Amino acid sequence: KAGVTQTPRYLIKTRGQQVTLSCSPISGHRSVSWYQQTPGQGLQFLFEYFSETQRNKGNFPGRFSGRQFSNSRSEMNVSTLELGDSALYLCASSLYGQGENNEQFFGPGTRLTVL
Amino acid sequence: AQSVTQLGSHVSVSEGALVLLRCNYSSSVPPYLFWYVQYPNQGLQLLLKYTTGATLVKGINGFEAEFKKSETSFHLTKPSAHMSDAAEYFCAVSYTGGFKTIFGAGTRLFVKA
Repeated sequence: KAGVTQTPRYLIKTRGQQVTLSCSPISGHRSVSWYQQTPGQGLQFLFEYFSETQRNKGNFPGRFSGRQFSNSRSEMNVSTLELGDSALYLCASSLYGQGENNEQFFGPGTRLTVL
Repeated sequence: AQSVTQLGSHVSVSEGALVLLRCNYSSSVPPYLFWYVQYPNQGLQLLLKYTTGATLVKGINGFEAEFKKSETSFHLTKPSAHMSDAAEYFCAVSYTGGFKTIFGAGTRLFVKA
């Protein structure tokens, strides 16, 4: 089975712009979670989508949004970029979703740099 | 509320030495516990997980962890470190009926030649 893929792998934007990141989960997985990883804050949960519905959300401003399509692919959008949004954005897919004893499978991430 | 604490943001060991990465959890219900590893420029991958049953869990690459309910701990060990073990390690907890997996802050392991 192909793993989780994320595009693009690297992205450079300027303050005020918006960005869309894409994630393709493992075939058959219905859950996609997004995380922001920075050296200072570590791994922070953004949101989880399960069968096209947002099931869980972390403590991020409304500038961060996402969606999931019927084929389980997910996109994450960040509007009005700030310098502090520079981070590695990780996507993880799971067969049954977060929680329980479910393993999450992570993609390689998208490295976003905001100038 | 569930939480995870990883003691030590950085751990340094010599090649061939014992690796011990500490994880303590807080959970009001029986937990499921995970260790993930992140190699440079990669996403996280599962090392091992505890669900129920045997408290000593063996994972990939020679790692193992022991669930100790009385100590609320799930420490990760490896008898002999290898240079290729240098990475960041994350402990995580979830539980039955919950829809969230909570990750610790991570411990970066350095292996000296």
